[in-house]
Amino acid sequence: DQQVKQNSPSLSVQEGRISILNCDYTNSMFDYFLWYKKYPAEGPTFLISISSIKDKNEDGRFTVFLNKSAKHLSLHIVPSQPGDSAVYFCAASANRGSQGNLIFGKGTKLSVKP
Amino acid sequence: ETGVTQTPRHLVMGMTNKKSLKCEQHLGHNAMYWYKQSAKKPLELMFVYNFKEQTENNSVPSRFSPECPNSSHLFLHLHTLQPEDSALYLCASSQDGGLQGLNYGYTFGSGTRLTVV
Repeated sequence: DQQVKQNSPSLSVQEGRISILNCDYTNSMFDYFLWYKKYPAEGPTFLISISSIKDKNEDGRFTVFLNKSAKHLSLHIVPSQPGDSAVYFCAASANRGSQGNLIFGKGTKLSVKP
Repeated sequence: ETGVTQTPRHLVMGMTNKKSLKCEQHLGHNAMYWYKQSAKKPLELMFVYNFKEQTENNSVPSRFSPECPNSSHLFLHLHTLQPEDSALYLCASSQDGGLQGLNYGYTFGSGTRLTVV
C-alpha cells in the first residue's frame, strides 16, 4: 500500500507558464517532505524540502506548499523552462528522519514545451 | 558528478553469479543508503548505514548483502539473484541519518542498471 502517491504520471506545460506537481500521503506521522528531480541516466537530485511546521517554502522558481489537513503537498515551478523537463519525485519521512527512511512516490514526468 | 560515484553503471549477470556493486562518496557524509528502482514502482529503500552501522534493513532478501567498511564506501554484494531483481540500484548519502540529512536532502549516485538473465 503506497504511503506517498503521485497520481499524475505525466504533465505537459508550455514554457513560461506555471507547473504544478501534486503529491498525496496517507501516513499522518510524516513530518518532513522533499522533492527530487531526475534526468534520464542520472540519479535524483534534491530540489526543496518542507517541514510539517510550515505550510510553504520557497527557493527561487520553486515553491512547495503543504496542506496537512488534506495530507497533500504540491510543487510549483514558475516560470517553467525547457530544462525543467524531468521526472519529479515526492518523498516523505517520519520522526524527523531519525530512521533515515525516505518514502518516495512513483514520480511525475514533466515536459516543458518551448 | 554529484559527489556520489557508483560502479559499474551497467551489469548483466546470470542467476548463479556473484557480483558486487560499489558506491563511493567524498562529501564527508556519515549516512549511506541503497535504494532499488523497478519499472513503474517508487524508489524502495533497501539498507541504511549511519556512521558505518546498519540501522535499517527493509526486509530485503538475503541474496542482497550490504557492506560498509568506512563512511565513504558502501557495497552491495549480490548472489543467486532472480530475474525480478533486475532494476536500477541507487546509492545515496546524507550528512547524517536524521534531520540534517533531510535539511539538505540526499545526494544520489547515477545508479547501476542491473539485468539478471
